[in-house]
Parts: sequence; C-alpha cells; structure tokens
Amino acid sequence: QVQLQESGPGLVKPSQTLSLTCAVVGGSISNATDYWTWIRQSAGKGPEWIGRVYLSGYTDYNPSLKSRVYISIDTSKDRFSLILSSVTAADTAVYYCARGRRLTNSLDVWGPGTLVTVSS
Amino acid sequence: DIQMTQSPSSLSASVGDSVTISCRASQSIGSYLNWYQVKPGRAPQLLIYTTSTLHSGVPSRFSASASGTQFTLDISGLQPEDFGFYYCQQSSDDPPTFGQGTRVEIK
Repeated sequence: QVQLQESGPGLVKPSQTLSLTCAVVGGSISNATDYWTWIRQSAGKGPEWIGRVYLSGYTDYNPSLKSRVYISIDTSKDRFSLILSSVTAADTAVYYCARGRRLTNSLDVWGPGTLVTVSS
Repeated sequence: DIQMTQSPSSLSASVGDSVTISCRASQSIGSYLNWYQVKPGRAPQLLIYTTSTLHSGVPSRFSASASGTQFTLDISGLQPEDFGFYYCQQSSDDPPTFGQGTRVEIK
C-alpha cells in the first residue's frame, strides 16, 4: 500500500523560499501510469492545485503560481519536491502531496498534509 | 479556470439519514469529476472518480451521478465515520479545480 509523507519547515519568512519534499513509501515513484501532484489549502478555502510532475520530469503548473513554482522528481530516492519562491502570508496553507493516476485522472493517494506558515 | 460550485456549504444529519451534496461546473467537463473526503489531520481520501465510479475500499453507501454540468454525491445511511469535509474536483481542464467544500456534521 503506497503512502505519501510530506516534510519540510513549518515556518517560512516572507520573501523567502518554501521547500517541501514528499516521500513515496511502500511503492515506487517510477510507474509511468502515475504523476505526482502538489495541492494546498488555506484556512476556509477549497483546495488549490499547485502543479504536477511526471516520471520524465515534465511538469505542469497552475498559471496563478507558475512564476514562483518548481516541482521536481527524484526517482533514486522515490520522492518529489516543491519549491515556492518569494512567499507571502497568502501562501500560508496546509500543503498536500498526492499521486495522480493517468487512466482516471484522479488523485488516489494523498499525504496527511503539512502546515506551512509564512510569518516573520 | 473552471469554477466548481458546491452546495450546501454545510449540513447536519443523523446516523442513518441519506444526504446529498451537489457540485456544478461552470462549463462542460464531461465525466471528469472526482469526489474526496477530508478529515482534519488525516490524508484526504478519494471516494468517487469519473463521476460515478467507486474507488477501491469505499463503502457502497456512497454513490454519485451527473446531469450535464450538475453532479451529485449521495450518502445513504450516514455513519458516524462519515463526518468531515467533502470536495468535488474537475480534472477535465488544467488547472484542475476544486469546489469550496461541504462540511458534514453528525447530529
């Protein structure tokens, strides 16, 4: 049973860079039928899709964040990562990683999420 | 971006009741509609994908359907463990977008 686990600093200062990693446990990240996704949810709002990375390293990003986001994949360590630059208080959210299935275009495995607060 | 409008924003029901959550897409998304359950501090769970297909391990009291751009999630025979938030998500066009959520409370 594949499980995902986010890790990274829970507090980031304004204007700095947020960096998170998602470990894929109990399975392989190298399945061509999958893609790997970051989603975030701010208090009182619905989830917001940040972007996805495929096994090839190809990425898609939400246009609203595209200028500040970078998602990468490390098949040797079965993990993928999120970098969000120039953060502000508006980036405070619970950040989730999730596995996407190409066949159904759904997110079938999620991590429990990690709260990232942007504050000085 | 495609807007997903969910209703109601919250509901309270008793164990054994049937509840319905609605989700409307701002434009046609075909059958690319998924439903998720989110509980605080826990990994969100996929319930339904491509409009009406039950994800593996999800109880059969959950079902879903669609009519045009209107989608519904039904829970028949609400159980105590069904409390939480429910979100619809369209995966037809990028960026994928979610509804604002429905909070389900058990009376």
